[in-house]
Amino acid sequence: DAKTTQPPSMDCAEGRAANLPCNHSTISGNEYVYWYRQIHSQGPQYIIHGLKNNETNEMASLIITEDRKSSTLILPHATLRDTAVYYCIVRVANSGGSNYKLTFGKGTLLTVNP
Amino acid sequence: DAGVIQSPRHEVTEMGQEVTLRCKPISGHDYLFWYRQTMMRGLELLIYFNNNVPIDDSGMPEDRFSAKMPNASFSTLKIQPSEPRDSAVYFCASSSGGGRGVKQFFGPGTRLTVL
Repeated sequence: DAKTTQPPSMDCAEGRAANLPCNHSTISGNEYVYWYRQIHSQGPQYIIHGLKNNETNEMASLIITEDRKSSTLILPHATLRDTAVYYCIVRVANSGGSNYKLTFGKGTLLTVNP
Repeated sequence: DAGVIQSPRHEVTEMGQEVTLRCKPISGHDYLFWYRQTMMRGLELLIYFNNNVPIDDSGMPEDRFSAKMPNASFSTLKIQPSEPRDSAVYFCASSSGGGRGVKQFFGPGTRLTVL
């Protein structure tokens, strides 16, 4: 699976949009970008994933550049409860074998300030 | 749905004792994962099962660790004998396979302290 690079920490004001970047310059054509987050003392939580088109769900939006070498997770109106470590993961998404493994890096600690 | 259930939530034991961690996956999920999280090493996958069969145990640190899944609704992770370096938070996660299937649902974790 391709390696990802994320800033170790970011700050965001409550109510503003939080934009979390991720670089994955070695991504392959069949690899998806996944985002998980981990709120303090809880298990990680799935947020969103995408291949090449931008994706949106009730939690966030995922913007993937045209060359797919980087992406941005957007929390449109950050709240204090969004303070967490955010993990960007790149992996092949097909069924079977060892392809269900998720490799978590160090992620980005997003702190939402009042 | 109750989500992934883990027990106990906290465990304190002495070095050399046997420790058993338990997990109940979400009903209908056919993949189950055990992770360990420490400050030094972050979140690491230890082992995962598909339809109760271990698929990849390459992350299991050594023979002191063993995991079983006797049926679709229960799994255990056992450490025997335990050592202080095993102190960590252990997470269980489950997912439904087929297609992409990497939307893993994590339990609340078991915080293990080995004295």
